[in-house]
Amino acid sequence: NAGVTQTPKFRILKIGQSMTLQCTQDMNHNYMYWYRQDPGMGLKLIYYSVGAGITDKGEVPNGYNVSRSTTEDFPLRLELAAPSQTSVYFCASSYSGLAGDTQYFGPGTRLTVL
Amino acid sequence: KQEVTQIPAALSVPEGENLVLNCSFTDSAIYNLQWFRQDPGKGLTSLLLIQSSQREQTSGRLNASLDKSSGRSTLYIAASQPGDSATYLCAVPGDSNYQLIWGAGTKLIIKP
Repeated sequence: NAGVTQTPKFRILKIGQSMTLQCTQDMNHNYMYWYRQDPGMGLKLIYYSVGAGITDKGEVPNGYNVSRSTTEDFPLRLELAAPSQTSVYFCASSYSGLAGDTQYFGPGTRLTVL
Repeated sequence: KQEVTQIPAALSVPEGENLVLNCSFTDSAIYNLQWFRQDPGKGLTSLLLIQSSQREQTSGRLNASLDKSSGRSTLYIAASQPGDSATYLCAVPGDSNYQLIWGAGTKLIIKP
């Protein structure tokens, strides 16, 4: 199993550009999550999904959109990039949605907005 | 609102030492606490999960304790090795079943 994979690993965007961060898991997990991690800070939940076709907002959803058309894929869309979105983005998945269930993380995407 | 704090932000110790990492939380009404490891350029890996009914959880050289009444958890690493160098984060459930509240982590460096 590859686990959770994310692409790209690094990206530099100009203000106002758009991009999609890709996330794929091959563990047949229903639950998937997007986090951002700012320097020296803990992770913040952006969006999560409890299954194909179902998504919901986390703590910091503004400026982002997600979709979940299949169990495997959970892309994160930035429509109008802003410097405040400079961060490391992690995708994760879990078997159950309980906060205590083990979450499996991808390697992250380091995004810089200039 | 739940807040999680980890002190110190960074720690450097010689190889072979036993060490303790700290995690504190403001709302003691948690039903579990997790410790994660984060390596540079890689994602996070779950190390230990302690349920609220437990006081300790062990995995190899790692031992995590939980004291809900005082709002604290510690991660004890025995006989530290250079391979233990990483950032260690703790997390507790938030208001939503799907949300974890994270500490900022302790960056640990084990010097050979």
